[in-house]
Amino acid sequence: DSGVTQTPKHLITATGQRVTLRCSPRSGDLSVYWYQQSLDQGLQFLIQYYNGEERAKGNILERFSAQQFPDLHSELNLSSLELGDSALYFCASSPEGLAGETQYFGPGTRLLVL
Amino acid sequence: AQTVTQSQPEMSVQEAETVTLSCTYDTSESDYYLFWYKQPPSRQMILVIRQEAYKQQNATENRFSVNFQKAAKSFSLKISDSQLGDAAMYFCAYTQGGSEKLVFGKGTKLTVNP
Repeated sequence: DSGVTQTPKHLITATGQRVTLRCSPRSGDLSVYWYQQSLDQGLQFLIQYYNGEERAKGNILERFSAQQFPDLHSELNLSSLELGDSALYFCASSPEGLAGETQYFGPGTRLLVL
Repeated sequence: AQTVTQSQPEMSVQEAETVTLSCTYDTSESDYYLFWYKQPPSRQMILVIRQEAYKQQNATENRFSVNFQKAAKSFSLKISDSQLGDAAMYFCAYTQGGSEKLVFGKGTKLTVNP
């Protein structure tokens, strides 16, 4: 158990819908990362937050957005869902969000878009 | 573009034997960090080992060790005394100075035969 929690574990929805994935980092960690794992794209970095502020952005679609709240939990919002958005979405956390810090991963949310 | 190449999509090893998983990476930075993550069937991403590029000494964690060849940009993982619980996908990844995002390879699926 990494100490990072993600809810829900599974999500099934239809095209065009909007979903919210939630992540709670390890106690004391200030930085949260979101990654997408799909069969065709592999593991890709989406976005990073540090203490409530966006720090880095990766291959995140405009239909996706995220935020980190004052209690440090984070939410990833996916809208206008397409079949290709079906994937495993991971949240990870690290203490200070510095390069080289170990990132601890949550169990992931499996999203299936029908 | 930042890339990580794992040339072995699948590997197999007999229980108690040793296996080496290959990884090469491409970066022009001198400050970077290398990681191996394990993803068992549960899909949880688990850190196996971490290496700082400025350290010449190869990292070791119990039965897991790396062969870090900086000039060749190679970072292979050796698993000694393989156990059935080592069966998983193994991902090589790195972060480079100034960026906290992990860049992952496509993974190597390791099967351990009893």
